[in-house]
Amino acid sequence: SQKIEQNSEALNIQEGKTATLTCNYTNYSPAYLQWYRQDPGRGPVFLLLIRENEKEKRKERLKVTFDTTLKQSLFHITASQPADSATYLCAPGGSTLGRLYFGRGTQLTVWP
Amino acid sequence: DVKVTQSSRYLVKRTGEKVFLECVQDMDHENMFWYRQDPGLGLRLIYFSYDVKMKEKGDIPEGYSVSREKKERFSLILESASTNQTSMYLCASSSVRDEQYFGPGTRLTVT
Repeated sequence: SQKIEQNSEALNIQEGKTATLTCNYTNYSPAYLQWYRQDPGRGPVFLLLIRENEKEKRKERLKVTFDTTLKQSLFHITASQPADSATYLCAPGGSTLGRLYFGRGTQLTVWP
Repeated sequence: DVKVTQSSRYLVKRTGEKVFLECVQDMDHENMFWYRQDPGLGLRLIYFSYDVKMKEKGDIPEGYSVSREKKERFSLILESASTNQTSMYLCASSSVRDEQYFGPGTRLTVT
């Protein structure tokens, strides 16, 4: 069965630095991969989608890469701010019916 | 503004009760999903529906059933609630192979 691993449960960085979160997957060949942000007590919110034929995608301070050979996606937040503190979930997908397989998430804390 | 709403934010039920959780979306999405989220276990898919009256089991369907009689509404049913079903339940909807929009969640406690 599919296995989705995110690099660590928690990541703490200083404001202004770049946060890098890792998502690895096995037993799966997704057609795309999505990243979500989740704040405590709330539902996840979609951030970015990257397709298998795309190496990199950017949105404002966010950058996602997708390496289908390594079976890995990297999620970067540049010039991080305390407001970026949240849990970030990766979710490969691509089945005909459109379901996603969520990782357990990485809790990011950005301290001033 | 797109919206997924869930019938309750907090719910307390007794063991053995039948529990209905309802989800409504206003985006005309084909797909709807029910997840539960527990500390340390992440989001786990219970059931999803890709069309009216169509459903597929997710990873943890045992003890649950679903109903989708109208495109905008997807219900999760706990036939006989048990304490191990105490959890946060999240509903989501999406167009096929597109991003998912989540509701605010229902925190269910079964005593």
